[in-house]
This record gives sequence, C-alpha cells and structure tokens, in this order.
Amino acid sequence: GEDVEQSLFLSVREGDSSVINCTYTDSSSTYLYWYKQEPGAGLQLLTYIFSNMDMKQDQRLTVLLNKKDKHLSLRIADTQTGDSAIYFCALKRSGGYQKVTFGTGTKLQVIP
Amino acid sequence: NAGVTQTPKFQVLKTGQSMTLQCAQDMNHEYMSWYRQDPGMGLRLIHYSVGAGITDQGEVPNGYNVSRSTTEDFPLRLLSAAPSQTSVYFCASSLGGEQYFGPGTRLTVT
Repeated sequence: GEDVEQSLFLSVREGDSSVINCTYTDSSSTYLYWYKQEPGAGLQLLTYIFSNMDMKQDQRLTVLLNKKDKHLSLRIADTQTGDSAIYFCALKRSGGYQKVTFGTGTKLQVIP
Repeated sequence: NAGVTQTPKFQVLKTGQSMTLQCAQDMNHEYMSWYRQDPGMGLRLIHYSVGAGITDQGEVPNGYNVSRSTTEDFPLRLLSAAPSQTSVYFCASSLGGEQYFGPGTRLTVT
C-alpha cells in the first residue's frame, strides 16, 4: 500500500516562511494535495498539483514536487498566526476509484 | 451551494447501540467517501461510492455499512457500536481532482 509520511510538528515565527514536507512511496500518484485542518473543523483543500508538474504557486503558497525523490513540500510565505493548523498531504493513485491516501499531518505552530 | 453537510455534529453512543451518520452534498458529485480520523493516524477510508447504487469497501470497513440510493446522500451506519469506533468521521465528495470535506461528526462510544 501507499505510505505517506510527514513530520508531526513545525514551529515558526510570524512573518517567516514555513516549509512542510511530505514523502511518499507510490510513484503512480496522479494528484498530490495539501489540506488544512483548524481545530474542531473539517479539512479545507488548500491546493493541489498534478504529478506532471514540478511547482505550483498560489498567492502565499508554493508547492514543490520532486518525483525522483518522491518528495512534496508546501511553502507558506509570510506565515501568519491564522496559518496555525494541521496540514495534511494526500495522494491520489492513478486508475480505478479516486482513492486518496493521507499523511498523518503536520501541526504548524506560529509564534507571534 | 451548501457543499458537503454532515449530521449530527456530536454523538455519544453506548456499546451495542446503532446509529446512522448522515452526509449530503449538493454539488452533483458522483464520488463520495467516508473517512475516520484518529489521533496520529491521519484519515483512513471506510467506504466509498462511485455513483448512485454503487458502493465499495475502503481500508477499514468492518463494523460499518453504507448505501447510496441518490447522488446527494451517502449515509454511514453503525450496526452495533464499539468503543473502537470512537473517532471523528468525515464525509467527502469529489469531482475530478478536487475532494471536498464535510465538517465532521465526533462520535464517542462508551
């Protein structure tokens, strides 16, 4: 099966950049996602990248994909206290149903 | 659009009780899923549906049943609740590459 790994915790100062990393094992993933979950809330889709792309930028968010190393990252520029949340990477495999496998999540703490 | 809605938001059950978690979406998405979220384990797929009348098992289906009689609704049934089913349950619907989640149901089984 698919393994998706993330570090559990990241702490940054307000205004700095945050980089959240994700590694995976299945190279047949077609979509690679980043979700944000605030306390007591559901998952909010932040952005996603197709497996044939290397980078995607969306305002303060930059997603980088290194297919050779099976490494996905999410960079948040000018991190704000409102960015404090748990961030999940998730992958969808090719073929069949659009089954999505989630990482365990990285808790981002932004220090004012 | 309301997106994906789930009811109830919170529920406490005793071991052996049954209940149905409701999920509805108004985006006309064919694909719907149920996940459970447990601390340190991310989200795990329970059951999914690729359209009305079609359902299949995910990673952790035991103890749960689903049906999909309409495109809009995808209820999850617990026939005989167990403490191991204490979790937060999320319903999702998807179209193409984008998957949208409901707000979740926090279930406690005592």
